[in-house]
Amino acid sequence: GAVVSQHPSWVICKSGTSVKIECRSLDFQATTMFWYRQFPKQSLMLMATSNEGSKATYEQGVEKDKFLINHASLTLSTLTVTSAHPEDSSFYICSATRTSRNTQYFGPGTRLTVL
Amino acid sequence: DQQVKQNSPSLSVQEGRISILNCDYTNSMFDYFLWYKKYPAEGPTFLISISSIKDKNEDGRFTVFLNKSAKHLSLHIVPSQPGDSAVYFCAASTNAGGTSYGKLTFGQGTILTVHP
Repeated sequence: GAVVSQHPSWVICKSGTSVKIECRSLDFQATTMFWYRQFPKQSLMLMATSNEGSKATYEQGVEKDKFLINHASLTLSTLTVTSAHPEDSSFYICSATRTSRNTQYFGPGTRLTVL
Repeated sequence: DQQVKQNSPSLSVQEGRISILNCDYTNSMFDYFLWYKKYPAEGPTFLISISSIKDKNEDGRFTVFLNKSAKHLSLHIVPSQPGDSAVYFCAASTNAGGTSYGKLTFGQGTILTVHP
């Protein structure tokens, strides 16, 4: 149990376009989903916390208008990188929690490359 | 401000021996700690966790020890296997309410290499 999927696993796009990444909890209902990004050889940095049916809470320094998060159901959250630029190229990972708040289960990640 | 620190960027161990990964934290509000294993280009995999009301939690080859007074936790892997080679992250969570609820703060990670 506790399987989280992400789609796509990798994406290459042109600068200025928008990219949507999906995060799904496959075998449980996720009360909360989190979005992280990881730069090479660095730790995971939390971008935002997403609760079903409410607005996401963004970490300091993360542009909410650039990284749009929608949590439409208890099994799906989406991250849209709007007007992507090369500096947005990174590894984006989502996680989900059950009613037990503490253990987060991670998706496999999405490699975004902006040309 | 790095609230969770893994001071050893890498660790090399012989197969069959014990691997000890260390993690220190500064925020006394942290009350739940987790260890994750991560391969390149993959998401972290949950290994084991411990609540601040305990000082030890064991699951198969993995044991996590928590020393609250020293704000230190460690992950012991016995016996180590080549398949354990990966990056290990410790993470901490606080029971504070509001926007801190459920958030994890990660350490920088330690690369474990287990040699056959």
